[in-house]
Amino acid sequence: NAGVMQNPRHLVRRRGQEARLRCSPMKGHSHVYWYRQLPEEGLKFMVYLQKENIIDESGMPKERFSAEFPKEGPSILRIQQVVRGDSAAYFCASSMGLEETQYFGPGTRLLVL
Amino acid sequence: GDSVTQMEGPVTLSEEAFLTINCTYTATGYPSLFWYVQYPGEGLQLLLKATKADDKGSNKGFEATYRKETTSFHLEKGSVQVSDSAVYFCALSDSGTASKLTFGTGTRLQVTL
Repeated sequence: NAGVMQNPRHLVRRRGQEARLRCSPMKGHSHVYWYRQLPEEGLKFMVYLQKENIIDESGMPKERFSAEFPKEGPSILRIQQVVRGDSAAYFCASSMGLEETQYFGPGTRLLVL
Repeated sequence: GDSVTQMEGPVTLSEEAFLTINCTYTATGYPSLFWYVQYPGEGLQLLLKATKADDKGSNKGFEATYRKETTSFHLEKGSVQVSDSAVYFCALSDSGTASKLTFGTGTRLQVTL
C-alpha cells in the first residue's frame, strides 16, 4: 500500500520562473493538505483541499500561490514568479476524512536561485 | 489562536539514557495531540497521538500523556537508541479547525554511543 507520493523530490528554479509541485494521496484518501517548512522551523499549514474543492486556504499567500485537487490526478501546488524566499520544503499530507490522521509525503525541496 | 511550544534543541543524549521532550499547547477547543518524527531528508512520520484528556499515546517505546490541566503532551522514552536521532515535532489539531495541524518548531535529538 503506497504512501503519500510527492514529486519532484528536489526542484531548482531561477527567480521569476514557475514551480509545480505534485502530490498523490494514499489510496482511499480524498483529503489533501499542503504545508511549508522553512529552514530550521516547524511546518506551517497552507491549504486543505478535497476533490475539486478548496476547503481552507487560510495559510496560503494571497499572491503567486495556488492549489488544486482535480477529480482525476494528483494535487498540484503552483508557485508563480518564484522568489528566493520561496525556498523551502513543501510537504503534502492526506487523510481519509475530516479529523482523521494525516499521513505525510517525503516532501519537495524547492531551491530558488 | 492555536499554538504549540516545544523545548529548544538540540538535545544530546548517550544511548540508553532517558528522554523527555517538553510540549505545551494553547487551543480554543478540544484538540487532538500528536508527535511526529522526521528523519534526515525525509517527511514526517506519525509517532503517536492522543485524542482526549488523560489518554496516553505510545509507539516504539515512546509515550506521551494528554494533560489537560497543564496543557501539556510531553514525549518520553526510557532508553534511547542511536537510531532515534531525528527531529521531533509536537502538533495539535483543534476540534474547531480539524482541517489543519499546528506544529511546534521541532526538537532535534542526537543520540551518541
